[in-house]
Amino acid sequence: LAKTTQPISMDSYEGQEVNITCSHNNIATNDYITWYQQFPSQGPRFIIQGYKTKVTNEVASLFIPADRKSSTLSLPRVSLSDTAVYYCLIYNQGGKLIFGQGTELSVKP
Amino acid sequence: GAGVSQTPSNKVTEKGKYVELRCDPISGHTALYWYRQSLGQGPEFLIYFQGTGAADDSGLPNDRFFAVRPEGSVSTLKIQRTERGDSAVYLCASSLTPGQGTDTQYFGPGTRLTVL
Repeated sequence: LAKTTQPISMDSYEGQEVNITCSHNNIATNDYITWYQQFPSQGPRFIIQGYKTKVTNEVASLFIPADRKSSTLSLPRVSLSDTAVYYCLIYNQGGKLIFGQGTELSVKP
Repeated sequence: GAGVSQTPSNKVTEKGKYVELRCDPISGHTALYWYRQSLGQGPEFLIYFQGTGAADDSGLPNDRFFAVRPEGSVSTLKIQRTERGDSAVYLCASSLTPGQGTDTQYFGPGTRLTVL
């Protein structure tokens, strides 16, 4: 299974754009890149998923370069409520999700 | 519609006791997953059901842990002879199209288990 590496923590201020980069050097051809968000005392929540290039939804954008060895989650104009842990996962249709430690994002006023 | 629900939300037990944790998945979701999350760590996979059968139970730590899903909907995670190290948040998730690259897992709020 592909291993992911992402920063343990990041700080930002309200209104800024936040980019969290995840490395997954041994991603396989059939693997998808998935990001989840988790607030304290809640289960993880799906944010976005992609295979290549760029994916955008109402919450975030996901940028994936051609070699797919990394991906960047972009959160536009963050607010205090975006303070959470963000997990980058590689999903390879095997059913289970393999979570790392995630990136703890702290948004300050 | 209703999301994944888990009961109880909190469970405190004594070392050596037996506990059952319940998960109600989203209606129509054929796949159900159990994860365990310790403080400061990401969720750790335990077991995955496709319908009534366990498709992957490789994450169960030992034979004290057992899970069932007899009718392909509600699932119960059972822990025998609990130990203090079992204290964690137990998360349940369900999904509609397991095995497809675009499948999304929807998580419940979890059950916080404390073993004294």
